[in-house]
Amino acid sequence: GAGVSQSPSNKVTEKGKDVELRCDPISGHTALYWYRQSLGQGLEFLIYFQGNSAPDKSGLPSDRFSAERTGGSVSTLTIQRTQQEDSAVYLCASSLASANTEAFFGQGTRLTVV
Amino acid sequence: KQEVTQIPAALSVPEGENLVLNCSFTDSAIYNLQWFRQDPGKGLTSLLLIQSSQREQTSGRLNASLDKSSGRSTLYIAASQPGDSATYLCAVNIYNQGGKLIFGQGTELSVKP
Repeated sequence: GAGVSQSPSNKVTEKGKDVELRCDPISGHTALYWYRQSLGQGLEFLIYFQGNSAPDKSGLPSDRFSAERTGGSVSTLTIQRTQQEDSAVYLCASSLASANTEAFFGQGTRLTVV
Repeated sequence: KQEVTQIPAALSVPEGENLVLNCSFTDSAIYNLQWFRQDPGKGLTSLLLIQSSQREQTSGRLNASLDKSSGRSTLYIAASQPGDSATYLCAVNIYNQGGKLIFGQGTELSVKP
């Protein structure tokens, strides 16, 4: 596709359940990022993948959060044992290279934990 | 630690006005600064990217400036239109942290017809 694609666009889950969020980056982009946008918190960095390098996980808020990127393309963000404070919009972005290149964002997945 | 601040948090103007949105950052060791637009319930749309060596970038009615030494950027919107109503976010890409972006809280712009 022409842009970054995320699925699902909306997800409602019960507290304690696990969820998986998917991101398809722009073809040819080697860098992929996950961000979280919470009401009143702004956009915060979660994790960053660049090629075959070890990911930068410095933004993950707890060990309930993990992400993987298979084949250098599609990425999945997994949240285990979801809590109400995990409710947010999760945004994925990709760029051509690791640094100093324009980032392109997907439409986001709105996660609601009830 | 890099901090990015945007002022004002919200702005309402009549159609046709020229306006300026402000962004400041605390650490000048950046690769670039990007301005984004976010419509309600949507993702981010990239507007302009200014490299650290550049002073400004222009796209249509938008002009972004960068003063790295003072840690400031402005986004100038000429002849505002109701369709410009959105939240505008600035973000810096800092040295030695790959492509990670640090975002400001955004300015919510409303342009009244």
